[in-house]
Amino acid sequence: GAVVSQHPSRVICKSGTSVKIECRSLDFQATTMFWYRQFPKQSLMLMATSNEGSKATYEQGVEKDKFLINHASLTLSTLTVTSAHPEDSSFYICSAYHRDPSTDTQYFGPGTRLTVL
Amino acid sequence: EDKVVQSPLSLVVHEGDTVTLNCSYEVTNFRSLLWYKQEKKAPTFLFMLTSSGIEKKSGRLSSILDKKELFSILNITATQTGDSAIYLCAVLNTNAGKSTFGDGTTLTVKP
Repeated sequence: GAVVSQHPSRVICKSGTSVKIECRSLDFQATTMFWYRQFPKQSLMLMATSNEGSKATYEQGVEKDKFLINHASLTLSTLTVTSAHPEDSSFYICSAYHRDPSTDTQYFGPGTRLTVL
Repeated sequence: EDKVVQSPLSLVVHEGDTVTLNCSYEVTNFRSLLWYKQEKKAPTFLFMLTSSGIEKKSGRLSSILDKKELFSILNITATQTGDSAIYLCAVLNTNAGKSTFGDGTTLTVKP
């Protein structure tokens, strides 16, 4: 299957700092990438849809000024958590949409565990 | 609003048992239904279903979709402890790949 990488895999930061998470599709071009957040023992919560070359579309209740998304190329999207606070601690997962006649599915990155002290 | 409901929410079985996981959905502009397995990290893709009545199979796992009744099932036969995971069902709509996820079924397989 298609490969999506995410970096860093784990980050611990102090409250008030900003953290950038990168998501890369390694072997296909992804016009659309998605950012999810997952709390322990819960399902994935879609935060935003990131389209290459245009502004991200945020889900209701997600602060776009807090979670900055940039999709500068067909293989890279970044999520920046600005002025992080302890309540932002979570598991952040990106996925890249592979629109291919044989698959037409999302492939997930390995996730980033963010801990804000 | 799109909705995906999985049942049961959790399930405990013994090795060798067969399990059936359920996923029902209500979505606009259905494109496909996806099953994922999530262990400690991010979900890994299992199946994509687009047509009714056609079973997809991979080893001991199989899945089928009923677009008339709006549900899918995931079967796992001869379960092993390595099958213990959260199984997620998601429905993809035609809006450029946007998915709606169910809450998942947590499967625990005991030796």
